[in-house]
Amino acid sequence: SQQGEEDPQALSIQEGENATMNCSYKTSINNLQWYRQNSGRGLVHLILIRSNEREKHSGRLRVTLDTSKKSSSLLITASRAADTASYFCATAANSGYSTLTFGKGTMLLVSP
Amino acid sequence: NAGVTQTPKFQVLKTGQSMTLQCAQDMNHNSMYWYRQDPGMGLRLIYYSASEGTTDKGEVPNGYNVSRLNKREFSLRLESAAPSQTSVYFCASSDRRLAGGLRRETQYFGPGTRLLVL
Repeated sequence: SQQGEEDPQALSIQEGENATMNCSYKTSINNLQWYRQNSGRGLVHLILIRSNEREKHSGRLRVTLDTSKKSSSLLITASRAADTASYFCATAANSGYSTLTFGKGTMLLVSP
Repeated sequence: NAGVTQTPKFQVLKTGQSMTLQCAQDMNHNSMYWYRQDPGMGLRLIYYSASEGTTDKGEVPNGYNVSRLNKREFSLRLESAAPSQTSVYFCASSDRRLAGGLRRETQYFGPGTRLLVL
């Protein structure tokens, strides 16, 4: 069963605008990660946020985590056409050895 | 470093045929994974290997077998392919480092194998 669920399923914006994607999950987590997938390619890790962190930045990316609401958001500022891709959140459970559980993803289209 | 490599890139099978998807990583990672990706379904874990010599079932293991040949290589076998196994298959690897007692499980993905079962 899918742990993370992204919202929206698809997002279309203009270059220069900000893009916000949300992820909700169901059970206690150790960390939450965001990945990007360009069309026809494998996934690429973007950022990891641990359960005791509330916000993290990496370049134009900002991730927030609210464990009380079991949700996370990914903000991409000043979007570029090259940001066009699908974005997935993935959660690692909080017990023993755990695998990652991926959501269904948000497709982002950034138009020039 | 090549990272995670997968062969073949594309494959067409007839129902009932068998095949093995190969995956290798050169990052000295302990853990390796096989996923399938179907439209609108995200990635679903088929099997994983937490360390050399161990394998475990994921969310959708039926119809598949795996072999962790050595630390570098992790293969996925379809014994009798079915049309429902038409998908894109991704291999990934990770190194579970402990930093301050917290786990780090970033996964590195291969480019994928596109499989069509007729």
